Amino acid sequence: DAGITQSPRHKVTETGTPVTLRCHQTENHRYMYWYRQDPGHGLRLIHYSYGVKDTDKGEVSDGYSVSRSKTEDFLLTLESATSSQTSVYFCAISAGALEAFFGQGTRLTVV
Amino acid sequence: KNEVEQSPQNLTAQEGEFITINCSYSVGISALHWLQQHPGGGIVSLFMLSSGKKKHGRLIATINIQEKHSSLHITASHPRDSAVYICAVAYFGNEKLTFGTGTRLTIIP
Repeated sequence: DAGITQSPRHKVTETGTPVTLRCHQTENHRYMYWYRQDPGHGLRLIHYSYGVKDTDKGEVSDGYSVSRSKTEDFLLTLESATSSQTSVYFCAISAGALEAFFGQGTRLTVV
Repeated sequence: KNEVEQSPQNLTAQEGEFITINCSYSVGISALHWLQQHPGGGIVSLFMLSSGKKKHGRLIATINIQEKHSSLHITASHPRDSAVYICAVAYFGNEKLTFGTGTRLTIIP
């Protein structure tokens, strides 16, 4: 299995608080992705990174920011969490014409 | 808009049945992925293909580039095959994946 881990795995937070999710890989892949998964929508891309300090927005980026200061770590931050950001978040590495590997997911509940 | 359509959305079958899940896409792709997600679980890559056919155990994936269509087949289905199966494509010149909404498969013993 590819070395990709997410933390935390579960989190409950209050509306308006900042939240940071971490994705860590040991595969030295250039591309990393953050998705959210909601019923009826499938996986939707929030942000992605194509190298250290190189990031870009996905289709549902509003309310989220990311940072990648090292190849192995990709952080997703909710600056001020809202109930609409309650979701399951997945990190992935590689993709395109290469095999994709996903983290185990983070279940975030905003109350 | 580039879309990925899966069918059926839900499928319930008896153990031992032959299962087919379909995926259609709208424009040319560099690769198509089949993914599996068990309830409450992570997402696992089953296949990545750009042409032809691949087989792994009881799972077979095929793709028809001209028709922009792929199928995932499961032979001799088993309750442990119960999961959501997700199709995802990478369009030419784009590293990002576009996902279907998944097919929820339930195999009854």
